[in-house]
Amino acid sequence: GAVVSQHPSRVICKSGTSVKIECRSLDFQATTMFWYRQFPKQSLMLMATSNEGSKATYEQGVEKDKFLINHASLTLSTLTVTSAHPEDSSFYICSARRRDSPYEQYFGPGTRLTVT
Amino acid sequence: RKEVEQDPGPFNVPEGATVAFNCTYSNSASQSFFWYRQDCRKEPKLLMSVYSSGNEDGRFTAQLNRASQYISLLIRDSKLSDSATYLCAVPSGGYSTLTFGKGTMLLVSP
Repeated sequence: GAVVSQHPSRVICKSGTSVKIECRSLDFQATTMFWYRQFPKQSLMLMATSNEGSKATYEQGVEKDKFLINHASLTLSTLTVTSAHPEDSSFYICSARRRDSPYEQYFGPGTRLTVT
Repeated sequence: RKEVEQDPGPFNVPEGATVAFNCTYSNSASQSFFWYRQDCRKEPKLLMSVYSSGNEDGRFTAQLNRASQYISLLIRDSKLSDSATYLCAVPSGGYSTLTFGKGTMLLVSP
């Protein structure tokens, strides 16, 4: 199997607060995890690539100081949205790549963030 | 050409129909391709991987046309439960990342 969990599934927060989202691979070791954002009726947009034990690689236009990523173990990566604003409201989805499969990615169920 | 391009649809088909979508890609060096299925407000789920000329899994067939740089997904005997958005993904960057198309929406009606 290749099960990825994500928590929380839904969060509503006030503008200016920080939100942490956890992504876990439950039955495999994930050397690489990816964080995506998806706005309604839009494609998945890669935000950053996270390798265990090293700094995340951010895509162009994604502020690394605003979206803090930590990949402390082979089964856990976290994304913290700092000082969230209403424009950060989106569907955040993580995915994980198995050690033995170089390209296939398995997605977590996503976190729907609403910033009021 | 955009990195990965898909017709957004929607494709409206009756149950039992055969339907096909295409996905064009710009990186001629790509060696692997993926079709994901995404239900409304849910995460994408891997449907099929394509590493050579094509792949078949039950009612689903994926084919690769390297010369024209597109992959296709064929669904035979459509079911109501096939209604979803189908995303095409192609490795990019250092091949550790995937670039997704915007998806093609399929609506299967009774």
